[in-house]
Amino acid sequence: EAQVTQNPRYLITVTGKKLTVTCSQNMNHEYMSWYRQDPGLGLRQIYYSMNVEVTDKGDVPEGYKVSRKEKRNFPLILESPSPNQTSLYFCASTRGQGSNEQFFGPGTRLTVL
Amino acid sequence: AQSVTQPDIHITVSEGASLELRCNYSYGATPYLFWYVQSPGQGLQLLLKYFSGDTLVQGIKGFEAEFKRSQSSFNLRKPSVHWSDAAEYFCAVAYNTDKLIFGTGTRLQVFP
Repeated sequence: EAQVTQNPRYLITVTGKKLTVTCSQNMNHEYMSWYRQDPGLGLRQIYYSMNVEVTDKGDVPEGYKVSRKEKRNFPLILESPSPNQTSLYFCASTRGQGSNEQFFGPGTRLTVL
Repeated sequence: AQSVTQPDIHITVSEGASLELRCNYSYGATPYLFWYVQSPGQGLQLLLKYFSGDTLVQGIKGFEAEFKRSQSSFNLRKPSVHWSDAAEYFCAVAYNTDKLIFGTGTRLQVFP
């Protein structure tokens, strides 16, 4: 089954404790991205990757890092989480090259205390 | 800056009534247009999309949307709403890239 998976689905952590949210897709998609969803703000892009070893900032990249060492994986790293990063996070992937139909993971709800 | 506006934060309808959710995008080249639905506690599911061609697009679950270039709009419609349609709906656009720009969402509540 074609899908985007994220882990963990729920995470409660404390300020400053490094964490990683994993994202994996099995569709051989080139383009992957991370969004955060906040009430009243919709979804905003954090980072994206157009292919292996090619990443770039989205609209709200501060406090986040990503890597793309393999085509299928695109982890989101919070080196020193802060309470304002409490949010619902979505990973997405698409074939790229203008196809634009994005497939979303189930989401990761992160709470930073 | 490119933006998407969903003017209705919250809409309440009775089951069986018709529905229209509004979406406007900022002026510019015609983007790719999408509607996604997010049920409570779930991820995003694509309802329909417009890339080119016929401006009336049919989607899943009985939804349709009409692209109106003159109004920069892509409103979502359903002739008869079911209780299971209660969810949050997001309009999104993309301008020749794979980056989606989302509206702030419209929460739909359905009363029996």
